[in-house]
Amino acid sequence: LAKTTQPISMDSYEGQEVNITCSHNNIATNDYITWYQQFPSQGPRFIIQGYKTKVTNEVASLFIPADRKSSTLSLPRVSLSDTAVYYCLVGPNTNAGKSTFGDGTTLTVKP
Amino acid sequence: GAVVSQHPSWVICKSGTSVKIECRSLDFQATTMFWYRQFPKQSLMLMATSNEGSKATYEQGVEKDKFLINHASLTLSTLTVTSAHPEDSSFYICSAMPGSRGNTGELFFGEGSRLTVL
Repeated sequence: LAKTTQPISMDSYEGQEVNITCSHNNIATNDYITWYQQFPSQGPRFIIQGYKTKVTNEVASLFIPADRKSSTLSLPRVSLSDTAVYYCLVGPNTNAGKSTFGDGTTLTVKP
Repeated sequence: GAVVSQHPSWVICKSGTSVKIECRSLDFQATTMFWYRQFPKQSLMLMATSNEGSKATYEQGVEKDKFLINHASLTLSTLTVTSAHPEDSSFYICSAMPGSRGNTGELFFGEGSRLTVL
């Protein structure tokens, strides 16, 4: 299973766009990239998933370059409530539960 | 989205006792569920894969006799921490993926259960 590397922490201010990058150099052909958000004392929550190029939903965008060795989660206009830990998971959809959680990125949004 | 619920949300027990944590998929059937453990300020660590109607598969280093998993129905998996000790104190989380919706890869997580062993 692909190993992921993310920055340990990031700080931002309300209203700014935040980009969190995840490196996954040994991503396999059938692997997808999925991002989760976790608040303290809660289970993670799905944010977005992609395979290649760009994916956008109502809360975030995911940019994946052609070589797929990295991906960037983009959160537009963050608010204080976006303060959380963000995890990037890489693995096949058929075995998503076995994907390894990396250390995650703790995002702190300041007023 | 699909809903996964855990119970209890938190539990405090004495050392040496056993504690059972339930994980339920409320609006879908899950032939497979996953159990994780998360220590403070750390990431989630997969403990085991719970398979409906068959034995769970445990990750390396996880004691199967210590963490008993039962997946008796398509909507319920239980994790029993046997003879709990203070070092078992942790946040336990389960997840499931609706197979009926195809393998979208989206995992649905429970709220987590915080175990404190005195």
